[in-house]
Amino acid sequence: EPEVTQTPSHQVTQMGQEVILRCVPISNHLYFYWYRQILGQKVEFLVSFYNNEISEKSEIFDDQFSVERPDGSNFTLKIRSTKLEDSAMYFCASKGLLSQETQYFGPGTRLLVL
Amino acid sequence: GESVGLHLPTLSVQEGDNSIINCAYSNSASDYFIWYKQESGKGPQFIIDIRSNMDKRQGQRVTVLLNKTVKHLSLQIAATQPGDSAVYFCAENISPGGGADGLTFGKGTHLIIQP
Repeated sequence: EPEVTQTPSHQVTQMGQEVILRCVPISNHLYFYWYRQILGQKVEFLVSFYNNEISEKSEIFDDQFSVERPDGSNFTLKIRSTKLEDSAMYFCASKGLLSQETQYFGPGTRLLVL
Repeated sequence: GESVGLHLPTLSVQEGDNSIINCAYSNSASDYFIWYKQESGKGPQFIIDIRSNMDKRQGQRVTVLLNKTVKHLSLQIAATQPGDSAVYFCAENISPGGGADGLTFGKGTHLIIQP
């Protein structure tokens, strides 16, 4: 069964450093998403991406964040200058046109900012 | 702001019993609802969804009920098994065009299946 994959599974970084989280969505899916989940809290929407541009973003997704689809398979989330409060699980999700509104999530990247 | 939320943070049931997890939503414009299951260290796993033009939908051992009058959503799991132990999230979406809208998640209910 096709699934969303994410790398790395864990990332530790120093405050102020840049990180790039990578995702490979399900092939033939056209909508891509990033969510985050701070430990013990609910999953929060960050950004959606379609047709090579951002479709929607939340208040969390400020200028420190950016997304890119550098090639036909990867979808990346970049945090330019990490803060302590960026420590969280980051989930990528994808959705295909034919699957209506069902979003399928990856296993997540656990980011720890020290 | 408007949000989706859950009534109970933890629910403990005996293996084999049925469980019901509840969720309240406040955005009357929501038209699509999903239940996800999240096991420790993993991403949310799709369980079942329902559109606002329905009030009930059944899957394998799971049933989702939607009461739009009181803005309430529930997930029923029949004959619970140890593998059902997880955190369950409801999520909602407003998708007038079926587009790229992000999901709004509730806080989650931790379901514990007692042997």
